[in-house]
Amino acid sequence: QSALTQPPSASGSPGQSVTISCTGTSSDVGGHNFVSWYQQYPDKAPKLMIYDVNSRPSGVSDRFSGSKSGNTASLTISGLQSEDEADYYCSSYTTSSTHVFGSGTRVTFL
Amino acid sequence: EVQLVESGGGLVQPGRSLRLSCAASGFTFDDYAMHWVRQAPGKGLEWVSGISWNSGSIGYADSVKGRFTISRDNAKNSLYLQMNSLRAEDTALYYCAKCPGGYPSYYFDYWGQGTLVTVSS
Repeated sequence: QSALTQPPSASGSPGQSVTISCTGTSSDVGGHNFVSWYQQYPDKAPKLMIYDVNSRPSGVSDRFSGSKSGNTASLTISGLQSEDEADYYCSSYTTSSTHVFGSGTRVTFL
Repeated sequence: EVQLVESGGGLVQPGRSLRLSCAASGFTFDDYAMHWVRQAPGKGLEWVSGISWNSGSIGYADSVKGRFTISRDNAKNSLYLQMNSLRAEDTALYYCAKCPGGYPSYYFDYWGQGTLVTVSS
């Protein structure tokens, strides 16, 4: 149950787009369409942003979108805003009926 | 409004036990799978354990298997995590998380604020 691989950091200028990758294996990311993404501010609980690879919960901005190709999933934040500065974690259901999270990516402004 | 309130954390010596609780409200508790997720200080999220709506399906991370036991009491709208043989590496903020379905459960739609467990002599 190794953590999914995410870049430690990603940055962009206000209004730009940022894409975060999440790489796993055929036993997790590549084996299901059950990838989700969470946003976490310091000392706060995580918040669901994307589920089932590319679905958004009610109330989440459409600036957030998800995709997947093979064993790698991606989260794209379009039109970067100040409130988007946070940590982002991917998660995948696995073929063993367990869950695994990514290592996390901190998004900051340039 | 969905509310998940964890309790039971604290300072405990290595090798000892601790029982965490999660009180749920604002939804029909016995319709949904529930999970525990932890986060070591300054580190990322780690899935710990999950339980289906009727306790018929339970799973654990390899790191806690054989030491931790998840359970639920649907009559009390409560989720529990019995943690035995605690180690320093179990030190973390433990979150209770709800799933959108009963079983299987593919993601976590609501989270509590967490309860801190510190394992140290």
